[in-house]
This record gives sequence, structure tokens and C-alpha cells, in this order.
Amino acid sequence: KNQVEQSPQSLIILEGKNCTLQCNYTVSPFSNLRWYKQDTGRGPVSLTIMTFSENTKSNGRYTATLDADTKQSSLHITASQLSDSASYICVVALLTDSWGKLQFGAGTQVVVTP
Amino acid sequence: DAGVTQSPTHLIKTRGQQVTLRCSPKSGHDTVSWYQQALGQGPQFIFQYYEEEERQRGNFPDRFSGHQFPNYSSELNVNALLLGDSALYLCASSLGLAEYPIQYFGPGTRLTVL
Repeated sequence: KNQVEQSPQSLIILEGKNCTLQCNYTVSPFSNLRWYKQDTGRGPVSLTIMTFSENTKSNGRYTATLDADTKQSSLHITASQLSDSASYICVVALLTDSWGKLQFGAGTQVVVTP
Repeated sequence: DAGVTQSPTHLIKTRGQQVTLRCSPKSGHDTVSWYQQALGQGPQFIFQYYEEEERQRGNFPDRFSGHQFPNYSSELNVNALLLGDSALYLCASSLGLAEYPIQYFGPGTRLTVL
């Protein structure tokens, strides 16, 4: 069973609208949580990284939240643009040794339509 | 400043063959991680190299092996290819001693096994 679950699996939104993606995780011990954006055929690109002591982090129109008690995170996209069409992957880093082993979710495929 | 580069971009092999994929890390990075990403799934961790040694390994068979060179570039070797090895292989580089190392991904190598 995947220890990082994302929902919804896919999402279609109109350009200019907002959307929120969800991530639930069970991995422990927890070090930090990251959101990545992956365009089709490209490698993932980091959007945000949050440690257990942070509950929100923004990067432009992207805002991530974290509730380490309930082990839930969300990624909110504001005023979506066509270029936001991509897969958004939630990644949890384990507190293993000094570098943190990463556990990836399956991603949420977002399609922004004109 | 060059980012992470991978070669080749695409590769077609037949079952039983062997393949070598190559990765050059982002300038200044000393750690290379390899991931396998099946279609519609999140990346799965294969292994990580730091200071020319394998530091961590995921749940992949011994058919998957790697190497890191003194210039920090890395190779992923897969022997006795199976149909199920068809995937996008991603390389990510980072700073080995950073507290929360951010992994920068390359564009990937698309491997097709026939």
C-alpha cells in the first residue's frame, strides 16, 4: 500500500479558476513534505518544501499547507493558467540518516482548459 | 549553469539485453539518486550515490546496479531486461550534506523493452 495517497487522481479546471489538491501520508518518521510539478515528458520540479514545524508555504500562485498531526497536506493553485497543466506530486521525506529518503505519491493530473 | 542532464533521451531494447543510462548532476552537487517512473505513477526510488558509494537502496533487484564517478556523474545499469522494466528513468542531484536536500531532476530517459 502506497504510504503517500493523493486525491483526486485527475482534475479539469477552467483557466482563471482555483483548485486544491490533497495529500495524505502515513510514512514515519517524518522529516519534510514537498510538492513537485511534473510536465509531460519532463522531470519533476520542486514547488515547495515544508518541515513538520511549518504549516504553510507559498511559491507564487501555489500555496501548500501541512497538518503534521493529521498527516495531511494540500496544494492550492490560484487563478490557474494553461501552463499549470501538469502532474502534481506530493513527496514525503523520511528522517533516515542525514539526507531523508523520499516517498512519492502517484500524482494528481491537472488539466487547465481555456 | 547547466542543470541535470541525462542520456540518452529514448532507448529501445529487447528482453534479456543490458542497458546503461547516464546522468550528469547539476553544477556543485555531489549526490545522485535514480528513480523509475512507470506510466501514471510516481517515481520509485532505486538507489542513491554519494562519494562514489551507494548510500541507500530501494526495493529493486540486483539486476539494477550503478556507479558514481569522481566528477559526480553517475550510471545506472540494468541487466537481463524484462518487459516490466519499461519506464521513465529519472536522475536527481542534490547536495549530500544539506539538512533538507532539494533534489533537482533531469528530463529522464524513456526506456522501452520489447
